Amino acid sequence: EDQVTQSPEALRLQEGESSSLNCSYTVSGLRGLFWYRQDPGKGPEFLFTLYSAGEEKEKERLKATLTKKESFLHITAPKPEDSATYLCAAGDTGGFKTIFGAGTRLFVKA
Amino acid sequence: DAGVTQSPTHLIKTRGQQVTLRCSPKSGHDTVSWYQQALGQGPQFIFQYYEEEERQRGNFPDRFSGHQFPNYSSELNVNALLLGDSALYLCASGGAGAGDTQYFGPGTRLTVL
Repeated sequence: EDQVTQSPEALRLQEGESSSLNCSYTVSGLRGLFWYRQDPGKGPEFLFTLYSAGEEKEKERLKATLTKKESFLHITAPKPEDSATYLCAAGDTGGFKTIFGAGTRLFVKA
Repeated sequence: DAGVTQSPTHLIKTRGQQVTLRCSPKSGHDTVSWYQQALGQGPQFIFQYYEEEERQRGNFPDRFSGHQFPNYSSELNVNALLLGDSALYLCASGGAGAGDTQYFGPGTRLTVL
């Protein structure tokens, strides 16, 4: 069964303290691995799409990487404005459905 | 360039009623997907529309139905509302020009009393 699991559920960092968020996925064939940022009460904001193992993408303080079973979102020197829920999702080549994880709630304290 | 828009923003209904939510995709997109997001959870796939047809459906009962219009906009209808239908309903568009990436609207917050 297709599944996406994110860890940790919540992460509290001091400003400037770098860390990584984990996303484990199980799909029969990967159509794409997606990362989104979601602020409370709002729709998810697109960050990255990754397609194949070894691929990396960067945007400001964020860097996403992909292996055959996992993806990581690395946050370098985070700022309080990076506080949000980060969602990981996987698309299966067998269809058009996208499976989301439950998210990691990130809190960055000044 | 307007992104994905949804209406209404908030909605309050009572059990047993019916509701219709609306979505306009990002310009140039031809695919619309609907998701339900309960508090503290990730979005759950309801269905996807392409060329005015439902082309895949998630594990949701037939009370959830939809429609896509020739201009690619879409509606989500929920009949016989239950308390458990209270959630944030998200619309995402993609397809032409977007590859496999979907872009989300702001959502409609539905509360069922």
